[in-house]
Amino acid sequence: GAGVSQSPSNKVTEKGKDVELRCDPISGHTALYWYRQSLGQGLEFLIYFQGNSAPDKSGLPSDRFSAERTGGSVSTLTIQRTQQEDSAVYLCASNAGGLSYNEQFFGPGTRLTVL
Amino acid sequence: AQKVTQAQTEISVVEKEDVTLDCVYETRDTTYYLFWYKQPPSGELVFLIRRNSFDEQNEISGRYSWNFQKSTSSFNFTITASQVVDSAVYFCALSDGWSGNQFYFGTGTSLTVIP
Repeated sequence: GAGVSQSPSNKVTEKGKDVELRCDPISGHTALYWYRQSLGQGLEFLIYFQGNSAPDKSGLPSDRFSAERTGGSVSTLTIQRTQQEDSAVYLCASNAGGLSYNEQFFGPGTRLTVL
Repeated sequence: AQKVTQAQTEISVVEKEDVTLDCVYETRDTTYYLFWYKQPPSGELVFLIRRNSFDEQNEISGRYSWNFQKSTSSFNFTITASQVVDSAVYFCALSDGWSGNQFYFGTGTSLTVIP
């Protein structure tokens, strides 16, 4: 069956440009999570969606970061005016029902490089 | 506040040795869930195990075993007779029932199994 997919797999951009990262969760999974993983670091929580709403945006590092989810499915993470410190792997995960005991299924990530 | 600590940043073992990866957690809640994930060099995180806070029974799955001790707030992971394919970064994570389903990840332990 299809897992979580993310696109693009790699993105190289110039400082100051905007980027959009896409996540397709597993069909039927109501909860969707975005994380950032910098080189050699752990997973930094960014935002969580339950359905189309985002009850927890506490992890977004600045107002340059935003995310939306439409139709309870696909989510887009947008980074405006990218900076070099935004370079990282951005991971998306989903789980069934958004319940805390359900394990998360992760996508392969988008590797973002800001020159 | 919820927190997961993986004090071991990097571990190297020779193939067939046993290795234990430590995980210490902090939470104010009585209901919570602990997870281990494996991130192989290919990059995609893979779920290994989940335990809930009411079940302290240790678990064994093949060469993998997990030791959950509430008294020390630890959830350690042991690989017996390690193999080269076990080389990966391993993440411990915590989720509780009261913080909006956010998952808290440790910084990971990079395991290298030397043939």
